[in-house]
Amino acid sequence: AQSVTQLDSQVPVFEEAPVELRCNYSSSVSVYLFWYVQYPNQGLQLLLKYLSGSTLVKGINGFEAEFNKSQTSFHLRKPSVHISDTAEYFCAVSPRRGSGANNLFFGTGTRLTVIP
Amino acid sequence: DTAVSQTPKYLVTQMGNDKSIKCEQNLGHDTMYWYKQDSKKFLKIMFSYNNKELIINETVPNRFSPKSPDKAHLNLHINSLELGDSAVYFCASSQADNEQFFGPGTRLTVL
Repeated sequence: AQSVTQLDSQVPVFEEAPVELRCNYSSSVSVYLFWYVQYPNQGLQLLLKYLSGSTLVKGINGFEAEFNKSQTSFHLRKPSVHISDTAEYFCAVSPRRGSGANNLFFGTGTRLTVIP
Repeated sequence: DTAVSQTPKYLVTQMGNDKSIKCEQNLGHDTMYWYKQDSKKFLKIMFSYNNKELIINETVPNRFSPKSPDKAHLNLHINSLELGDSAVYFCASSQADNEQFFGPGTRLTVL
């Protein structure tokens, strides 16, 4: 079974400040890791993903995340946030299968609010 | 040229009614999914389906049923709607176990 914990339900941060959104996961099998962003009244958009290889993953909009296997974490970071980054951020995992359907298991989300 | 589309965007209905939500993807993906997002924004898988298997989340009531007329469509049919079914429903698709692309969501309100 898989589970995802996002430690902060809300993160307020001033514009141009750095931000880190925390994500820890638990799984009995190897997983892929994802961060999705949801802007108000919209669907989910993929920010970045970790499938294999380098543990530092760069995504869209200046975001990056680092996979730490020993700490089972996949924290999301951005060095300087913009007002437009205000949104809900979801960390998710899916078990490695190689074929067929592969369900995503989501954390409860972190609401990032950028303050002018 | 929307990748994953859903209709309707909003659906308001009475308790006890039967309703369907349609989903279409033009990405050529072989797998489609339905997720439910509750009022606290929590997202949970309901179904996943490709041409070989349908996987049903055991917590989903059997009033919910996916119907796939072809590879590009996975519709969600709900019988005897209840107040607790009010949520936003998202369709998604993927190729094998790669990243999933989500539709814009359907906000269902049961009165």
